[in-house]
Amino acid sequence: AQSVTQLGSHVSVSEGALVLLRCNYSSSVPPYLFWYVQYPNQGLQLLLKYTTGATLVKGINGFEAEFKKSETSFHLTKPSAHMSDAAEYFCAVSESGGSNYKLTFGKGTLLTVNP
Amino acid sequence: DGGITQSPKYLFRKEGQNVTLSCEQNLNHDAMYWYRQDPGQGLRLIYYSQIVNDFQKGDIAEGYSVSREKKESFPLTVTSAQKNPTAFYLCASTGPAKNIQYFGAGTRLSVL
Repeated sequence: AQSVTQLGSHVSVSEGALVLLRCNYSSSVPPYLFWYVQYPNQGLQLLLKYTTGATLVKGINGFEAEFKKSETSFHLTKPSAHMSDAAEYFCAVSESGGSNYKLTFGKGTLLTVNP
Repeated sequence: DGGITQSPKYLFRKEGQNVTLSCEQNLNHDAMYWYRQDPGQGLRLIYYSQIVNDFQKGDIAEGYSVSREKKESFPLTVTSAQKNPTAFYLCASTGPAKNIQYFGAGTRLSVL
């Protein structure tokens, strides 16, 4: 069984500061990992994904994440926060290479950006 | 433009009533999913369908039913057996890049 743990249900940063949202996963097989963003009363939008290859992946809006197998982590970062980054962020994991396409989501981290 | 359309955006249910949430996609995707979102709970999978006329229960299927008669459509019925239906419901689909799910804008269901 897969699981995802997002450390910190709420993270608050100042505009221009580093954003770090933490995600740890467990999976019995090599995982595919995802970060999604959700703005209020909207659906989820894919920020970035890791499947295979380079462990540092870049996504939209200046976000990036690094897959660290030894730490079972996939933390999301952005060097400089912008007011428009305020949203809820979800980390998700799925099994690689199978026919089961289900995602398992973390409980989310709400990012607040202060002026 | 291709995408996933969920309707209505807001829905109210009376006690003992069944309600149906619509999900339509024009992305030609094979797989479709329904999630329930509660504050602080993340997304929990209700049902999913990988092909037409076939669907499987997710983690919290009790009190819900679905059908998949057409590739484009995957409606979700919240039955009277679901005693706590108030939540935000999200529909998603998956195409050739099978691990990337695309989401609709959601339906917020409340109980009168």
